[in-house]
Amino acid sequence: SQTIHQWPATLVQPVGSPLSLECTVEGTSNPNLYWYRQAAGRGLQLLFYSVGIGQISSEVPQNLSASRPQDRQFILSSKKLLLSDSGFYLCAWSGSTNEKLFFGSGTQLSVL
Amino acid sequence: SQQGEEDPQALSIQEGENATMNCSYKTSINNLQWYRQNSGRGLVHLILIRSNEREKHSGRLRVTLDTSKKSSSLLITASRAADTASYFCATVREGGYNKLIFGAGTRLAVHP
Repeated sequence: SQTIHQWPATLVQPVGSPLSLECTVEGTSNPNLYWYRQAAGRGLQLLFYSVGIGQISSEVPQNLSASRPQDRQFILSSKKLLLSDSGFYLCAWSGSTNEKLFFGSGTQLSVL
Repeated sequence: SQQGEEDPQALSIQEGENATMNCSYKTSINNLQWYRQNSGRGLVHLILIRSNEREKHSGRLRVTLDTSKKSSSLLITASRAADTASYFCATVREGGYNKLIFGAGTRLAVHP
C-alpha cells in the first residue's frame, strides 16, 4: 500500500534561518507531488506541484522553493525564513492527473 | 486565488442531526472533491464528484453538484461526535491539470 511521510512534525526557526522540509512517498511510482500551506483556521494555499523529477511548477511567488531530486521525494526549502512563512505545511501526492490527493501529516512551522 | 468558498464557515449541531455544508466556485471544473481535516492533522479525501455527475453517496455522506449554479453540497446524515472536523471542498478547473484549489472550509462541531 502507498504511504506518505512528512517530517518534522513541528519546527521552530529564527527569522533569517534556512528551511528544508522533506516528503517521501512509498508504494507508488511517478506520483504527482504537491506542497500546500495552511494559515491558522484557513484553507489551503497551493505552493508547488510536480509531475516528474526536476519538474516544478510554482503557484505563488514567495520566499520558498521546491525540488524533486528523486521520483518519490519532494523538498520544500528557503534560504532565509520570514515571519510570514509561519504556517502548517502539507505535502500530498496523487496517482494521476486530476484525481484525489493523499496528504501527509503536516509540519507546523513557527518562525520567530 | 481561492476557487471554492464554503458556507457556513462554522456549524454546530447535536449528535444525530444532519449537517449540510455548501461550496460555491467560480470557473468550469473537471471535478469537485470534499476533504476532512481533524485539528492539526493532514486532510483525508472523502468523495470526488465529476462535472457530469449530479449526486454521489458514500456511507453517511451525500454530495450533490449543480454545475449551472457552480455549487455543491455535502450532507452528513445522523452525525456523530467523531464527525467534528473541518470540511473543505476543492476543485480542479477544466484544463487546470494537477491544480487542486481548496476553499477556506467549514468547521463542524457535533455535540454529544
